[in-house]
Amino acid sequence: GDSVTQMEGPVTLSEEAFLTINCTYTATGYPSLFWYVQYPGEGLQLLLKATKADDKGSNKGFEATYRKETTSFHLEKGSVQVSDSAVYFCALTPNNAGNMLTFGGGTRLMVKP
Amino acid sequence: GAGVSQTPSNKVTEKGKYVELRCDPISGHTALYWYRQSLGQGPEFLIYFQGTGAADDSGLPNDRFFAVRPEGSVSTLKIQRTERGDSAVYLCASSLQWGDEQFFGPGTRLTVL
Repeated sequence: GDSVTQMEGPVTLSEEAFLTINCTYTATGYPSLFWYVQYPGEGLQLLLKATKADDKGSNKGFEATYRKETTSFHLEKGSVQVSDSAVYFCALTPNNAGNMLTFGGGTRLMVKP
Repeated sequence: GAGVSQTPSNKVTEKGKYVELRCDPISGHTALYWYRQSLGQGPEFLIYFQGTGAADDSGLPNDRFFAVRPEGSVSTLKIQRTERGDSAVYLCASSLQWGDEQFFGPGTRLTVL
């Protein structure tokens, strides 16, 4: 079945550092790919998405590029802020069998001032 | 506008008891999803409704779990003969139509003693 693997956390960075959270997937066909974020005490929110190969999703300074050749969707941000501290989930939906989300295990990001 | 709401926010019960968890989707959203998030893991799909009918219940772990959505709006997830392994955060999400962005509620934290 489909699966998503992301780097384990926690990831601890200083403010303004560069962020990369790795995500790879296994799926048949051409899934859609997502990053969700869960801020402390809040529900899951969609951060960005990409629906086909080579698409780049971006939002709030975060970016991720759909790489079919490496089955990856790594999340990046050039300069993190303390307010980016949260848990980040990579996820996919199969393109041909419903749109239930399959999530990775989550990566906790802690940004220190 | 109002987002997805879930009640109760916390539920503590004893092993063997019956529990009901409620989800109020965003008004007008036809698709509704239930996920379960165990501690330190990503959410896992349970069941999906399109309107009143369960379009896909392949994620329900066993026949102790059941969900309904009788009028195509509010949904109730029902768990019979609860077990300690059922302890988790139960998330509900809704989308305008099948395939659209899913908006998540804050979750119900279920603890089975």
